[in-house]
Amino acid sequence: RKEVEQDPGPFNVPEGATVAFNCTYSNSASQSFFWYRQDCRKEPKLLMSVYSSGNEDGRFTAQLNRASQYISLLIRDSKLSDSATYLCVVNIGSWGKLQFGAGTQVVVTP
Amino acid sequence: GAVVSQHPSWVICKSGTSVKIECRSLDFQATTMFWYRQFPKQSLMLMATSNEGSKATYEQGVEKDKFLINHASLTLSTLTVTSAHPEDSSFYICSASRGAGASGEQFFGPGTRLTVL
Repeated sequence: RKEVEQDPGPFNVPEGATVAFNCTYSNSASQSFFWYRQDCRKEPKLLMSVYSSGNEDGRFTAQLNRASQYISLLIRDSKLSDSATYLCVVNIGSWGKLQFGAGTQVVVTP
Repeated sequence: GAVVSQHPSWVICKSGTSVKIECRSLDFQATTMFWYRQFPKQSLMLMATSNEGSKATYEQGVEKDKFLINHASLTLSTLTVTSAHPEDSSFYICSASRGAGASGEQFFGPGTRLTVL
């Protein structure tokens, strides 16, 4: 079983719609959680950290459920520029070791 | 702030040659740098953790004699792929952490695309 699992998609989303997807992690000792965005053939860029209480950053909302070991990301009012692969990332220990999911591809269409 | 550069951005080499990739933190001192590899449509896989002035810690399955890592200063880490073969063709990405431990945010370099013929 993979440490961090994501639905690869693609999620085809009409512009202006809402899309949500989850990620599950296997290591219950994981300490911190992030969503990164990766555009084709580029490096990942931090989208947002995920806190236990849930957090929102503009059109993006992240939730963490430690009991069920999953993280979610919701994108409201999707823009064409939101088309990318969204990587679920888990910090699995000291010295900042990150474990990446394979990513969920989102394609926003006009 | 928090810019990480990598050089070269892409490289094509013949099988059997060695390739050196540089990772630099341009505007901060990085206590820890990480090297990742990403194959098409797959996740980033951590190869090794590099701390300035000490030996790198390699992940299971990563050959330390094949992937040589040197972290000579707080702003530079290098990855040398020795005797590269076609199966080493991949996207190599470094990241640098400003702080120690879980709280240190990582900043990623733009990646190096290696193609071994």
